[in-house]
Amino acid sequence: SAVISQKPSRDICQRGTSLTIQCQVDSQVTMMFWYRQQPGQSLTLIATANQGSEATYESGFVIDKFPISRPNLTFSTLTVSNMSPEDSSIYLCSGSGGEDTQYFGPGTRLTVL
Amino acid sequence: RKEVEQDPGPFNVPEGATVAFNCTYSNSASQSFFWYRQDCRKEPKLLMSVYSSGNEDGRFTAQLNRASQYISLLIRDSKLSDSATYLCVVGDYKLSFGAGTTVTVRA
Repeated sequence: SAVISQKPSRDICQRGTSLTIQCQVDSQVTMMFWYRQQPGQSLTLIATANQGSEATYESGFVIDKFPISRPNLTFSTLTVSNMSPEDSSIYLCSGSGGEDTQYFGPGTRLTVL
Repeated sequence: RKEVEQDPGPFNVPEGATVAFNCTYSNSASQSFFWYRQDCRKEPKLLMSVYSSGNEDGRFTAQLNRASQYISLLIRDSKLSDSATYLCVVGDYKLSFGAGTTVTVRA
């Protein structure tokens, strides 16, 4: 299994600012994903992070709001842009080595005031 | 209709009891099925994959019924440490998560 780290682990941000979350995997993975989990709810897929090309976004999520980078097989970033209180959530990255099993980072708990 | 639906519970059981719950999924073409466990304020962690023939891992037994499109999880001899939210997960390289079934094991 892959070991995945994220930073920051939590942040409190002001409305209108942006936050970039970093995700690092300890081994090369084929697929990396970004999810959001709002309080009391399950995980919602934001996008698939593609190495060296634009991410693939799910319905309801757009690149201008959630720009994603993946410069290599072990690292990805998610930016939450122009934040509003509705963006308060836990953001999780995951990695998959080609099989369908995904392993998750510890999450970034974001509060927007 | 949600892609994956679960009974949210909570299931409150005494130590040593058996608890079982299901989830249903809507995409009949789904190929991969999992149960993840999520503790409060933690990330989901893989509990077990679910295979067509059913599979067992210690006190945990998972079953898949493709015809009826449901997956089950049974926990035998419940421990206090089994208290968690259990997420039913379905998909291929992209996964769909249920909202979770909360299990609380009491002493």
